[in-house]
Amino acid sequence: DGGITQSPKYLFRKEGQNVTLSCEQNLNHDAMYWYRQDPGQGLRLIYYSQIVNDFQKGDIAEGYSVSREKKESFPLTVTSAQKNPTAFYLCASSIGEGTQYFGPGTRLTVL
Amino acid sequence: AQTVTQSQPEMSVQEAETVTLSCTYDTSESNYYLFWYKQPPSRQMILVIRQEAYKQQNATENRFSVNFQKAAKSFSLKISDSQLGDTAMYFCAFIAYNNNDMRFGAGTRLTVKP
Repeated sequence: DGGITQSPKYLFRKEGQNVTLSCEQNLNHDAMYWYRQDPGQGLRLIYYSQIVNDFQKGDIAEGYSVSREKKESFPLTVTSAQKNPTAFYLCASSIGEGTQYFGPGTRLTVL
Repeated sequence: AQTVTQSQPEMSVQEAETVTLSCTYDTSESNYYLFWYKQPPSRQMILVIRQEAYKQQNATENRFSVNFQKAAKSFSLKISDSQLGDTAMYFCAFIAYNNNDMRFGAGTRLTVKP
């Protein structure tokens, strides 16, 4: 059963902590993406990766970091430098013909 | 830079009726894709329909169809025979060929009333 999984579904972070959001896909897609969604807004691109060991910043990369060591995995770390991290985070993947397929998302809340 | 505008923050429709959601975009690209995604209360983003800019024929997927006007840079979504399960946020999105930067509108919240 192919798809994209994200974990955890809910995540709580204390001030000054780094947290890592998981994204895994078994669709054999080359490209993967991380988006942030705030209430009443569309999605904004944080980072994307077209191939293993390569990734590019999106519009709002400050305070975030990623890695792409395996084709299937694209974890996102929200660092303490991200001052307003409370949001809904969506991971997506693409075979390269435009269409992006999304995971179920992770809601991050700062305590 | 590409921008996507959805001018209707909220809309409602009676069950079984037809509703049209509007979307306009701005780009200097000539080759691109346009999409409508649905985000129900579960918040999973689900692809509804996709249009390639070089195709003049409007895309259709069952009860969902688009009106793509390339010169006007307009891409509206028509939902026929609306069902309660269509209640969701709908996002219009744009991506240029050979590009990884998908741009989303702010969304339209659609409520289908029984």
